[in-house]
Amino acid sequence: DAMVIQNPRYQVTQFGKPVTLSCSQTLNHNVMYWYQQKSSQAPKLLFHYYDKDFNNEADTPDNFQSRRPNTSFCFLDIRSPGLGDAAMYLCATEASDSNQPQHFGDGTRLSIL
Amino acid sequence: GESVGLHLPTLSVQEGDNSIINCAYSNSASDYFIWYKQESGKGPQFIIDIRSNMDKRQGQRVTVLLNKTVKHLSLQIAATQPGDSAVYFCAETYNQGGKLIFGQGTELSVKP
Repeated sequence: DAMVIQNPRYQVTQFGKPVTLSCSQTLNHNVMYWYQQKSSQAPKLLFHYYDKDFNNEADTPDNFQSRRPNTSFCFLDIRSPGLGDAAMYLCATEASDSNQPQHFGDGTRLSIL
Repeated sequence: GESVGLHLPTLSVQEGDNSIINCAYSNSASDYFIWYKQESGKGPQFIIDIRSNMDKRQGQRVTVLLNKTVKHLSLQIAATQPGDSAVYFCAETYNQGGKLIFGQGTELSVKP
């Protein structure tokens, strides 16, 4: 059973039109991550939530925002998508007090028209 | 659309052969290392991990070797099967937890 669920699996949006990607988890992990992954590249961390504390990576564009209304859900908002934002977006979770590695969802593939 | 992608290193093996995928990590202070398998259209899937106080760890058909002297990590897959075809990423972190630093990935192709 999927424990980190990303919806939708495929998202198409228009250039400049805001889009929101969602992630939910049934693991009750306190840490949630958002990664961007482009073709033939490794995942690149955008930001993460440690409990309710938001931690942005220094090189994440301002165009990318995130919300975490509760433990189970986390959203990635792209305010004005450009062609360069077309990518796979991966959500991962982790329990900070465990010895378990990050657990990934299957991602949302975002296309920009 | 996406920018032109890089070409991942590729390893092509015959079904039944053993595979060895190598990774050079960057931070000598890293103390926890993970191998992930990523199939097309899916997220990275945990395979095996190792902590810096070990130099070898075995799982089912997989073995991870850690050489801290030269900051090198390898993944060995025994009796490689077509279902092993995927991109394999190594990742490192310090004090386990927090930011993962991913290696560039290796594409494993298994020929039947």
